[in-house]
Amino acid sequence: GEDVEQSLFLSVREGDSSVINCTYTDSSSTYLYWYKQEPGAGLQLLTYIFSNMDMKQDQRLTVLLNKKDKHLSLRIADTQTGDSAIYFCAERTNSGYALNFGKGTSLLVTP
Amino acid sequence: NAGVTQTPKFQVLKTGQSMTLQCAQDMNHNSMYWYRQDPGMGLRLIYYSASEGTTDKGEVPNGYNVSRLNKREFSLRLESAAPSQTSVYFCASRRQGGEKLFFGSGTQLSVL
Repeated sequence: GEDVEQSLFLSVREGDSSVINCTYTDSSSTYLYWYKQEPGAGLQLLTYIFSNMDMKQDQRLTVLLNKKDKHLSLRIADTQTGDSAIYFCAERTNSGYALNFGKGTSLLVTP
Repeated sequence: NAGVTQTPKFQVLKTGQSMTLQCAQDMNHNSMYWYRQDPGMGLRLIYYSASEGTTDKGEVPNGYNVSRLNKREFSLRLESAAPSQTSVYFCASRRQGGEKLFFGSGTQLSVL
């Protein structure tokens, strides 16, 4: 299938902003998602964006989509230690029911 | 409201043994999925069921079979377990027309 690429690791200090980046290759992607996985748990949907949008904001989260470059980012403002987790970018295309996930970015927030 | 329930949470098998991973959802969702998660590989789709009575292969179906027993339940069977199937397995479900996948808490499987 098409690849979704993410950097594997990010470390930030508490109170700083975090930016997690993702690139995807399927230009027919209709929806793009950010999921969060805490240790020992399943994934939880954080937010998603439709492909005809370029930005979505939800409290401390801002998603930016550059459809021309097939680039998606997640910005977490005022990052807290509770934000430490693995963040997965995913895409859903017109061709399937299932999501195609990236490998995940481990975010470590230090005091 | 339990959401997506997976059993067992942990399992150790010997090579060649068989077992079935159970998944049930109580949200009346149409679609159900089985993913495996491996270090450095992210989540990869094994099988999915778009609706009751249908199943389709995902990215990595070899060595697995599935059964959509009814709308609530979607099981994953390993007929002859191999060490390469050591992984964390996640079941997920989604309502028709919805964008959100609801995940279970996972089954950690070790094949020795």
